Amino acid sequence: DTAVSQTPKYLVTQMGNDKSIKCEQNLGHDTMYWYKQDSKKFLKIMFSYNNKELIINETVPNRFSPKSPDKAHLNLHINSLELGDSAVYFCASSQRGGGSGNTIYFGEGSWLTVV
Amino acid sequence: SQQGEEDPQALSIQEGENATMNCSYKTSINNLQWYRQNSGRGLVHLILIRSNEREKHSGRLRVTLDTSKKSSSLLITASRAADTASYFCATGSNNDMRFGAGTRLTVKP
Repeated sequence: DTAVSQTPKYLVTQMGNDKSIKCEQNLGHDTMYWYKQDSKKFLKIMFSYNNKELIINETVPNRFSPKSPDKAHLNLHINSLELGDSAVYFCASSQRGGGSGNTIYFGEGSWLTVV
Repeated sequence: SQQGEEDPQALSIQEGENATMNCSYKTSINNLQWYRQNSGRGLVHLILIRSNEREKHSGRLRVTLDTSKKSSSLLITASRAADTASYFCATGSNNDMRFGAGTRLTVKP
């Protein structure tokens, strides 16, 4: 069973479109994250949620809107896609916070290409 | 703001050699974690070291932590071709875990 699953794995879309990436974790964790990995492999935190409550919103454009319907799901909706949004987006989860010494479990990533 | 910064950016060694990667961070930490990312995959947790620990071992991995210098190192001994991957350190507080750009390790057979 996949612990953190995200869909789709690959997404090619045109500028200006709106797209969503879904994420689900079956680990019973309280905390979920979205990270963005750029072409230089730098992994940047975008959002973190704890029990459906937004904890971290790291100066991400308003075009990015996370939604957590329950603590097992954290979806990412992106409006008006731009070329610079092309990246790999990783969903992750941990039991409480990783900063408390808890392991962060990552999904396999969603490769977004904006053309 | 970025928390962990790995050094070097890239490292290429022969199978059987040891690989050392370094991580520097800026603020006080409770713990520091190392992760591995195979090409095209998600990150996988390797080892955690707490701020009151100086060294930790797990199989062929050895991690050190120097809180006075705000730095950590990851040593992989007797490397194998299968160790080829990117290695990241992560630090942060509670729900705010931050990574750097990683060290890209290539182990040549």
